[in-house]
Amino acid sequence: EAGVAQSPRYKIIEKRQSVAFWCNPISGHATLYWYQQILGQGPKLLIQFQNNGVVDDSQLPKDRFSAERLKGVDSTLKIQPAKLEDSAVYLCASSLDLRTSYEQYFGPGTRLTVT
Amino acid sequence: SQQGEEDPQALSIQEGENATMNCSYKTSINNLQWYRQNSGRGLVHLILIRSNEREKHSGRLRVTLDTSKKSSSLLITASRAADTASYFCATESYNTNAGKSTFGDGTTLTVKP
Repeated sequence: EAGVAQSPRYKIIEKRQSVAFWCNPISGHATLYWYQQILGQGPKLLIQFQNNGVVDDSQLPKDRFSAERLKGVDSTLKIQPAKLEDSAVYLCASSLDLRTSYEQYFGPGTRLTVT
Repeated sequence: SQQGEEDPQALSIQEGENATMNCSYKTSINNLQWYRQNSGRGLVHLILIRSNEREKHSGRLRVTLDTSKKSSSLLITASRAADTASYFCATESYNTNAGKSTFGDGTTLTVKP
């Protein structure tokens, strides 16, 4: 079974530029999560999808961050414009269904550096 | 805001020793999970314990849950150098959306060969 795929693995941009991350969850997984993990901290949930609908985006900085999951499969997370404090690892995770399974499978993450 | 808080922040032991990490949380939970993260990698799910369970085992892992104290512990027995990683607890609370887990900041475990 293929795992959660993310790209790119690394990205360096200057502040005020924009960046996009891509995630392909495990096939058949209805729930998809985006987390931000700052060095030395635990993952912080940015947005949770169930199929192509948003379940929770309460911690997503909506003035600069956006995410979509068209067709309920792949997802993209965008930051526009980036700030220095956005430097972090962005993790994508998926789970079978939020109603029946709580185990989350994580991708390798995208390490973003904003200079 | 963080729901789970791990203790200690860092732990260093010799190979073969046992490692114990603790997690405390503030509000009532549906379940609590433990994850491992190797340096530069994604998180790997270790074990889930539900609020009506008190103890679970998986190989060399033993997790306990005390809902009256709002705390959980993860015990790794006979540790190996390969157990070196950060360990996170994640809680799913009654008052949040189903499937949403809140992570603590983790315990960094170093196992010396």
